Amino acid sequence: SYVLTQPPSVSVAPGKTARMTCGGNNIGSKSVHWYQKKGGQAPVLVIYYDGDRPSGIPERFSGSNSGNTATLTISRVEAGDEADYYCQVWDSIGDPVIFGGGTKLTVL
Amino acid sequence: QAQLVQSGAEVKKPGASVKVACKASGYTFTSSGISWVRQAPGQGLEWMGWISPYNGNKNFAQKFQGRATMTTDTSTSTAFLEVRSLRSDDTAVYYCARDMDGTPYYMDVWGKGTTVTVSS
Repeated sequence: SYVLTQPPSVSVAPGKTARMTCGGNNIGSKSVHWYQKKGGQAPVLVIYYDGDRPSGIPERFSGSNSGNTATLTISRVEAGDEADYYCQVWDSIGDPVIFGGGTKLTVL
Repeated sequence: QAQLVQSGAEVKKPGASVKVACKASGYTFTSSGISWVRQAPGQGLEWMGWISPYNGNKNFAQKFQGRATMTTDTSTSTAFLEVRSLRSDDTAVYYCARDMDGTPYYMDVWGKGTTVTVSS
């Protein structure tokens, strides 16, 4: 089945830009969705279809997808952005919904 | 606004079954699918399956086929997940989430989660 690979952790200073990657074989041919999960709260969809933002998600959140890597970018990082971030795709073979292992974003 | 409200925490013994409820409001229940996702302590998100309240079509993750059942009650806009033969590694927070109609794709509205603890 399809595998998504995310780095376990990313650290960034407040006000800087955080980039979190999601690797997969020819992931650029798929649509990638991103979720933010804070502590004991439910996940929140922050990016869908590679780069679209749901209403209520700040413009600081953006996404891109090409080749074997999708990227979630958070500009002007704030302390409140500290969370685990998961990428997700739909696959036509095997289980249809695949999550990456998640990246813990730490705001220094 | 769309909202999913889940049933309360459960404590079960190994071998027992648990049934989690997820009541939808603020949107037309039959116009979207419902996915179930769980997160075990210290682990990532794990997709379990999807059901269409419109026609009852289902799609399970291979790992849960035969051990989990998903149903819906359109009269109350409620989705249910039942997991049988519980093991300690089923201890997790179980989430329902609104998904696309027709096929699981991405989840835009999530319930707050139901904690299921399996312990003797």
